[in-house]
Amino acid sequence: EAGVAQSPRYKIIEKRQSVAFWCNPISGHATLYWYQQILGQGPKLLIQFQNNGVVDDSQLPKDRFSAERLKGVDSTLKIQPAKLEDSAVYLCASRSDSHSNEKLFFGSGTQLSVL
Amino acid sequence: GENVEQHPSTLSVQEGDSAVIKCTYSDSASNYFPWYKQELGKGPQLIIDIRSNVGEKKDQRIAVTLNKTAKHFSLHITETQPEDSAVYFCAASIKAAGNKLTFGGGTRVLVKP
Repeated sequence: EAGVAQSPRYKIIEKRQSVAFWCNPISGHATLYWYQQILGQGPKLLIQFQNNGVVDDSQLPKDRFSAERLKGVDSTLKIQPAKLEDSAVYLCASRSDSHSNEKLFFGSGTQLSVL
Repeated sequence: GENVEQHPSTLSVQEGDSAVIKCTYSDSASNYFPWYKQELGKGPQLIIDIRSNVGEKKDQRIAVTLNKTAKHFSLHITETQPEDSAVYFCAASIKAAGNKLTFGGGTRVLVKP
């Protein structure tokens, strides 16, 4: 079974530029999450999707971050404009919605450096 | 919201010894507690999990215990090997609230050969 795919693996941009990350979840997984992991810290939830609908975006800085999952499969996370403090690894995770399945599976992440 | 504290932040053990990592959580409604291992340049990998209706779970050299009354849970790794060196994260979630994981700050484990 293929895992969660993310691209690109690395991205270096200057502050005030825009950037986008892509995620393809495990096939059949209806729930998709984006997490931000700052160096030396645990991942922090940014947004959760159920199919193509947003379940929770309370921690997403909406003045600069946006995310979509138009067809309920792939998702993109965008930052515009980027700030220095956005330097982090952006992790995508997915979960099956079968009964009693709480397991989240993570991709390898996109490491963003904002200069 | 939920808050998860994890200790220690770093742990150095001799190969063959045991390693123990402890976590506490704040929301008594949390009912799912996974542990993830993260190697350099990779995403977190689920290694074991426990639900709130179970007090202990074991998988080969790894075991997790849960004390719901005290709101703490622990990861035990026995007979540590160099390949156990990584950063370990505990997490907690509430199934009814979408299973959004709240992570601890991580423990960097170094197993010395």
